[in-house]
Amino acid sequence: NAGVTQTPKFRVLKTGQSMTLLCAQDMNHEYMYWYRQDPGMGLRLIHYSVGEGTTAKGEVPDGYNVSRLKKQNFLLGLESAAPSQTSVYFCASRSSDGLRRYGYTFGSGTRLTVV
Amino acid sequence: RKEVEQDPGPFNVPEGATVAFNCTYSNSASQSFFWYRQDCRKEPKLLMSVYSSGNEDGRFTAQLNRASQYISLLIRDSKLSDSATYLCVVNDRDNYGQNFVFGPGTRLSVLP
Repeated sequence: NAGVTQTPKFRVLKTGQSMTLLCAQDMNHEYMYWYRQDPGMGLRLIHYSVGEGTTAKGEVPDGYNVSRLKKQNFLLGLESAAPSQTSVYFCASRSSDGLRRYGYTFGSGTRLTVV
Repeated sequence: RKEVEQDPGPFNVPEGATVAFNCTYSNSASQSFFWYRQDCRKEPKLLMSVYSSGNEDGRFTAQLNRASQYISLLIRDSKLSDSATYLCVVNDRDNYGQNFVFGPGTRLSVLP
């Protein structure tokens, strides 16, 4: 089925370890986003991309890096994980038009625990 | 003040009841408005866009009041399957380009 695929779905890291979360979409969407969701705080934007080769910071970018080398993939990296990065991470994408009709399409999320 | 505010609930209602949620937003330049639904431990999914004149989709009615900067969602004849968290979402052109700002969500439990 077409959509947004996130890998991995679950991960436990030790403080100081690094990892990369992968987001892949097959809908030819221009825009891609990484959010984190914490209890009582809603989704907060980490980084986003408006097209292949472009990235930009969102509301909470510290401690994360991203890359969009291919249009269909958006990678989120944690260089040195901290317990404060324990969260559920969602990737989303959307087309450059049709926002009102289709909104964002989300991946199923990655549950990350940093111990 | 948070950009998008919602009553976190939970709203516990019996099957068949009518329930309404409100959401307020702080940026008067906001352009587009949405309600998303999020089931427990799942990703958010688009429920409906909110248009200036108000719009209805089956049992769901959304209203926008730009003057007072709030959005509402009305659910009629609640079903058990409506139990979820409802996220108010505002498309904010001033911050981070054309990107969504999410409210914290309102949790609804429909009881048998």
